[in-house]
Amino acid sequence: SQQGEEDPQALSIQEGENATMNCSYKTSINNLQWYRQNSGRGLVHLILIRSNEREKHSGRLRVTLDTSKKSSSLLITASRAADTASYFCATVRYGQNFVFGPGTRLSVLP
Amino acid sequence: NAGVTQTPKFRVLKTGQSMTLLCAQDMNHEYMYWYRQDPGMGLRLIHYSVGEGTTAKGEVPDGYNVSRLKKQNFLLGLESAAPSQTSVYFCASSSDILAGSYNEQFFGPGTRLTVL
Repeated sequence: SQQGEEDPQALSIQEGENATMNCSYKTSINNLQWYRQNSGRGLVHLILIRSNEREKHSGRLRVTLDTSKKSSSLLITASRAADTASYFCATVRYGQNFVFGPGTRLSVLP
Repeated sequence: NAGVTQTPKFRVLKTGQSMTLLCAQDMNHEYMYWYRQDPGMGLRLIHYSVGEGTTAKGEVPDGYNVSRLKKQNFLLGLESAAPSQTSVYFCASSSDILAGSYNEQFFGPGTRLTVL
């Protein structure tokens, strides 16, 4: 069974708009990570948020974590065509392995 | 640094054939992983290794074997390929995941395997 589940499964927006993706999980975690995968490529790490953090920023990325609701969100501001990719959340519990969700496919239209 | 490399990039097998996928990393990472990615399924962990000479089963280990004879290499073997093993295989590595360390995973470019 998968720990993380992204929502929505697919998202299509216009260039310049903001994109928000959500991730829900079932058990306690030590940190949660977001990854991007361009078509035909491996995953690339975007940002990590620890369980005692509520929000982190990295460039145009903003990640929030609500451990009481067991959920996280990834916001990409001022989206660009190059942001078109699949985005995955991965939950991490020390002593256990990463668990990846099925991903959100983001399409940014020029 | 090359990061994580995988060979081959593509392969077509017939049912029953065997093959080995090679993963190499030059970041001196202790942890290495093999995942498979199928449409709509995200990544599923096949096997992993927490150090040279060690291996452990992941979520979907059946039909696969692995070896970690050298710290920088992690091999994934298919002894008798089946059509259900048609997938994209990713190798990843990370530093120690225990308390406090920044433990992102670094991924290779993937191997696309088709079993006929």
